[in-house]
Amino acid sequence: RKEVEQDPGPFNVPEGATVAFNCTYSNSASQSFFWYRQDCRKEPKLLMSVYSSGNEDGRFTAQLNRASQYISLLIRDSKLSDSATYLCVVRMNYGGSQGNLIFGKGTKLSVKP
Amino acid sequence: SAVISQKPSRDICQRGTSLTIQCQVDSQVTMMFWYRQQPGQSLTLIATANQGSEATYESGFVIDKFPISRPNLTFSTLTVSNMSPEDSSIYLCSVASGRAVGEQFFGPGTRLTVL
Repeated sequence: RKEVEQDPGPFNVPEGATVAFNCTYSNSASQSFFWYRQDCRKEPKLLMSVYSSGNEDGRFTAQLNRASQYISLLIRDSKLSDSATYLCVVRMNYGGSQGNLIFGKGTKLSVKP
Repeated sequence: SAVISQKPSRDICQRGTSLTIQCQVDSQVTMMFWYRQQPGQSLTLIATANQGSEATYESGFVIDKFPISRPNLTFSTLTVSNMSPEDSSIYLCSVASGRAVGEQFFGPGTRLTVL
């Protein structure tokens, strides 16, 4: 079983739509959780951290369910500029202060006019 | 945020040869990381490079194949040795942001094709 699993998509949605991505992780010792965004042929960039209580940043909402080992990202009012691949990332609790980041393969989102 | 540059941005190499990738950061950082992103695959950590000590390699990666140098706090190199077509990938370096655990800034990547 892969350590971090995501639906690869692609998710093709119209502008203004709400879209949700899910991610599961296999190692219950995982310590921290993140969503990164990767544009085509670009490097990944941190979108947001995911906290146990859930957190929101503008149109983006992240949720964590430790019992089910499940992470989600909700994007409301999709914009064309949201088109990208969204990477679910889990940090393990070894490897120094940064731990070891385990990346999912990513979910591709395409927002159409 | 840190500004990271990598050289070369892309290369096409013959099997059996070696390529050294350079990573330059605009500020001093303790830890630098080297990742590989193979086509259709997730980013995989190759090793962590600390200044003044040997790099720490992840399972499946060895120093003979991926020697790393870290001569100072702003620079690192990764060499892909004795290349085969299976080494065709994007290689990225990254640094910890220092702002939040798990936040890393990535370089633009080096796209390597081995024929």
